[in-house]
Amino acid sequence: AQSVAQPEDQVNVAEGNPLTVKCTYSVSGNPYLFWYVQYPNRGLQFLLKYITGDNLVKGSYGFEAEFNKSQTSFHLKKPSALVSDSALYFCADYNDYKLSFGAGTTVTVRA
Amino acid sequence: GAGVSQSPSNKVTEKGKDVELRCDPISGHTALYWYRQRLGQGLEFLIYFQGNSAPDKSGLPSDRFSAERTGGSVSTLTIQRTQQEDSAVYLCASSLGTSLYNEQFFGPGTRLTVL
Repeated sequence: AQSVAQPEDQVNVAEGNPLTVKCTYSVSGNPYLFWYVQYPNRGLQFLLKYITGDNLVKGSYGFEAEFNKSQTSFHLKKPSALVSDSALYFCADYNDYKLSFGAGTTVTVRA
Repeated sequence: GAGVSQSPSNKVTEKGKDVELRCDPISGHTALYWYRQRLGQGLEFLIYFQGNSAPDKSGLPSDRFSAERTGGSVSTLTIQRTQQEDSAVYLCASSLGTSLYNEQFFGPGTRLTVL
C-alpha cells in the first residue's frame, strides 16, 4: 500500500494567491517526509523534508510545509504563488533506504 | 559542480529489443538509485546501490530488468526484450549515503519509448 497520498491531481491558483499542495501519510512509527518539485524537462529538485523537531519546515523557493500528526498530513504551502511555481510536485516518504513517492500534483499558476 | 547525468536523454526502440540506460552520479556519491516514472503516475523505486552492491532489488518489475554498477560510479540499467509497458522516464539519483539525512540528487532522466 502506498505510504503517501496526494489527493489532488491538479491545483490551479492565481499569481499572488496562497498555494497549498496536499499530502497525507499512512506510515506506522515516525514518518520521514519529503517534498520534491519537477519542472518541465528537468529532473526532480529537493524542496524540504521533515525528520524530527519543529512541525513547520521551511525550504527552497519560499516553500514551507507543516507536519500534522493528528491529521497525518504534510501539506506544502507558499504564501504568494508565482507563475514560475508551475510544475509537478511530489510528496515522498523515506523508508528502508529509499523514497516512496505519491502520484504527484500538477500546479498551474496563472498570471 | 556537475550534477547527475543520464544518457541517452531519449530512446525509441522496437518491442523485443534490449536497451541500456546509463547513469553518471555526482562524484563521491556512494549511493545510487533508479526510479521509473510512467505517464500520469508517481515515481516507482526500482533498485539502489551502496557502492557496487545492490542490497535492494525489490522494485525491479521482472527478470527482464537488471542493473549493475562498477567502480562505485557509473551504473547501467538494462531492459531485455522490451515491452510497450516499459515505456516511461527512467530517473537516476545519487546521494552521499543512504541515510535519510543525505539528499538524493536526480538526473534529468531517460525517456524510453517502446513501439
